[in-house]
Amino acid sequence: GIQVEQSPPDLILQEGANSTLRCNFSDSVNNLQWFHQNPWGQLINLFYIPSGTKQNGRLSATTVATERYSLLYISSSQTTDSGVYFCAVPNAGNNRKLIWGLGTSLAVNP
Amino acid sequence: DTGVSQDPRHKITKRGQNVTFRCDPISEHNRLYWYRQTLGQGPEFLTYFQNEAQLEKSRLLSDRFSAERPKGSFSTLEIQRTEQGDSAMYLCASSLTAGGFSGANVLTFGAGSRLTVL
Repeated sequence: GIQVEQSPPDLILQEGANSTLRCNFSDSVNNLQWFHQNPWGQLINLFYIPSGTKQNGRLSATTVATERYSLLYISSSQTTDSGVYFCAVPNAGNNRKLIWGLGTSLAVNP
Repeated sequence: DTGVSQDPRHKITKRGQNVTFRCDPISEHNRLYWYRQTLGQGPEFLTYFQNEAQLEKSRLLSDRFSAERPKGSFSTLEIQRTEQGDSAMYLCASSLTAGGFSGANVLTFGAGSRLTVL
């Protein structure tokens, strides 16, 4: 099955810093989603981004499907950005079943 | 619409007992998913409903696990004869898809039900 790798596994930032999180996947996909899981466990969908670039406030994401990777950019980080960031892709073209990476655990210090 | 609701939020049980979790999806969503997440891991797919039909089940879902969505609205996930290895966060998500098999499928998750088996 498809493999999803995220890097870095852990990241510590000072408030106000910028960061880039990466998601590599081993096979062609027709969509990719980025999620944020807050320290209380709630998963929030950040982006549905099969290709190209999208922006939402201080966050933006870019997926280069032909090269099998996606990037999540966080600018001017805030303490509320802390948590785990996951990317997920559909399994073998089946968009009903998502395969998830292990996540990037982000801590933003004041 | 208050999002996806899960109940209970926390459940502590003794090994061998049965537990049931409930999920109320966003009302207009036609798809409902159950995922399981253990510490340090991403969510793992368990099962999926399209309306009331259970269309896919993971091999992770042993015969001790059963899920239902009787009227295509809320869903229950029951674990019989719980084992310590069942301790995890059980996540429910729903989505609305109108684009067929490959249409956009953006998931909205509930807050999860955390199970601890002693």
